[in-house]
Amino acid sequence: GQQLNQSPQSMFIQEGEDVSMNCTSSSIFNTWLWYKQDPGEGPVLLIALYKAGELTSNGRLTAQFGITRKDSFLNISASIPSDVGIYFCAGRPDSWGKFQFGAGTQVVVTP
Amino acid sequence: DGGITQSPKYLFRKEGQNVTLSCEQNLNHDAMYWYRQDPGQGLRLIYYSQIVNDFQKGDIAEGYSVSREKKESFPLTVTSAQKNPTAFYLCASSGGASYNEQFFGPGTRLTVL
Repeated sequence: GQQLNQSPQSMFIQEGEDVSMNCTSSSIFNTWLWYKQDPGEGPVLLIALYKAGELTSNGRLTAQFGITRKDSFLNISASIPSDVGIYFCAGRPDSWGKFQFGAGTQVVVTP
Repeated sequence: DGGITQSPKYLFRKEGQNVTLSCEQNLNHDAMYWYRQDPGQGLRLIYYSQIVNDFQKGDIAEGYSVSREKKESFPLTVTSAQKNPTAFYLCASSGGASYNEQFFGPGTRLTVL
């Protein structure tokens, strides 16, 4: 099945820096989701987006649904050590059936 | 508390044995999913079910089987035909008012010796 193109694959940043990552799809989506996964745990839903151009925040996290409906972006501002983990994007083109996932962006935050 | 439970957290089996992983949800979601995650990789869909008594193969269904006899439960059997079963297995569900959002359980790490 189709996987989304997520980049970067990994990021090593200093505490306090901002982080940006993105996902692209070859087809149009009506939903974009962003998750965080800690080692050995299930992914936790951070932000859900439903409309092209939508910008949604959750604390220091901000995500956008791209205008073309083929991409999405996640920003983490003023990173802290607990931001360490793998961030996944996901989406689907309609309101039923399968979700598609990116391969994940591993974020490492150093003090 | 509403959520998805998977048990056990860790599971060890000998090669050649079938093993069943449990997934239960009390979110009243219609759809449930099983994914496999290997180290450093994304999620690959094994099976999904959009309604009770119905399920579809995902991208890597070979060597796996499922049933959906109840809305709350979607057990996954890893059969001896699965050539490389050691992995982290995640169950998820979606439905209700948040039908476009997918929620995950805590996962089961299966190790086949």
